[in-house]
Amino acid sequence: ETGVTQSPTHLIKTRGQQVTLRCSSQSGHNTVSWYQQALGQGPQFIFQYYREEENGRGNFPPRFSGLQFPNYSSELNVNALELDDSALYLCASSSPGQGLNEQFFGPGTRLTVL
Amino acid sequence: LAKTTQPVSMDSYEGQEVNITCSHNNIATNDYITWYQQFPSQGPRFIIQGYKTKVTNEVASLFIPADRKSSTLSLPRVSLSDTAVYYCLVGAADTGRRALTFGSGTRLQVQP
Repeated sequence: ETGVTQSPTHLIKTRGQQVTLRCSSQSGHNTVSWYQQALGQGPQFIFQYYREEENGRGNFPPRFSGLQFPNYSSELNVNALELDDSALYLCASSSPGQGLNEQFFGPGTRLTVL
Repeated sequence: LAKTTQPVSMDSYEGQEVNITCSHNNIATNDYITWYQQFPSQGPRFIIQGYKTKVTNEVASLFIPADRKSSTLSLPRVSLSDTAVYYCLVGAADTGRRALTFGSGTRLQVQP
């Protein structure tokens, strides 16, 4: 069983640029959630995709957008990058029927905005 | 969403039992208590979940008193590799299709 993978592992961008982060969900999982984790803080929910539709969104501006593909992999896009967007971006997959609040997290993408 | 309060940090030594308590005074009737563990430069990992009394798995035990306003994660005989941040989460268990709400967690440092 392949776990959640994310790419790239690290990324450096400058203010105003756009970035796309990618996530492959764990085999059999049809739900993908994205989280932002600033240094020293817990992860903060950005949004979730279920069967290619956005299924909930946290308190993040519209310049944070996403996609989920038929194979359940997902992308997180951030436009007009700001310095405060520097963080670890985590992707988590899960599947209805687990009966638990268990989401399987990838290793994250470390984004640095200069 | 029920707010959780847990210690910012804890220190322990190898071989000791570690108990991390989380307060959640406003827990709702249908809320479950879930704990995650996060190592540096990794994503969080589910440890254990419970509703009431005691739950035990191969990693930890979770103790929940009758009023459910707090919970205690117990790690038996910790080792250096248990050094991590531990998060207590409270929310309805709707089969994983929901947003997880993390606080700042408890940073556990295990010394030799």
